[in-house]
Amino acid sequence: EAQVTQNPRYLITVTGKKLTVTCSQNMNHEYMSWYRQDPGLGLRQIYYSMNVEVTDKGDVPEGYKVSRKEKRNFPLILESPSPNQTSLYFCASSGHLRYTYEQYFGPGTRLTVT
Amino acid sequence: GQQLNQSPQSMFIQEGEDVSMNCTSSSIFNTWLWYKQDPGEGPVLLIALYKAGELTSNGRLTAQFGITRKDSFLNISASIPSDVGIYFCAGQLGNYGQNFVFGPGTRLSVLP
Repeated sequence: EAQVTQNPRYLITVTGKKLTVTCSQNMNHEYMSWYRQDPGLGLRQIYYSMNVEVTDKGDVPEGYKVSRKEKRNFPLILESPSPNQTSLYFCASSGHLRYTYEQYFGPGTRLTVT
Repeated sequence: GQQLNQSPQSMFIQEGEDVSMNCTSSSIFNTWLWYKQDPGEGPVLLIALYKAGELTSNGRLTAQFGITRKDSFLNISASIPSDVGIYFCAGQLGNYGQNFVFGPGTRLSVLP
């Protein structure tokens, strides 16, 4: 089954404690992205990756890091989480099949930073 | 950054009614996507539009890519209870699927 998986689905942590949210896709997609979703603000792109070792900032990259060492994985790293990073996070991937760039989303990770 | 405007923000309709929502931007986009999100789930792609003027249907859903490339609309015909959710439009910047901007969403409630 084609899918994007994220782990963990729920995470409660304290300010300053480094954490990583994993994302994996099994569709051989080139492109992967991370979004955060906050009430009234919709989805905002944090980082995206166009292929292995190629990443770029989205609209709200401050406080986040990413890496793309393998095509299927795109972890999101919070080196020193703060309460304003409490949010619902989604990973997404999209391929380059002819002219289709549809994104497929993971189930989400709800992060609470206290 | 780029912004998309969606209207209405929310709507309450009776089961069986048709629904129309739209998305506008001050920027030109190459691709428009419409998603639906159920509570506790990730967004699910409904329709993708790739050319200005394109009209595409997916069952009871119909979406159009505006001629100016700055807007798109989504229609749902004969609404049913499972249409409840938040509908997002998204515009793609660039040509290689790397940068997407999402609207704030339209929350749809369907009354029996």
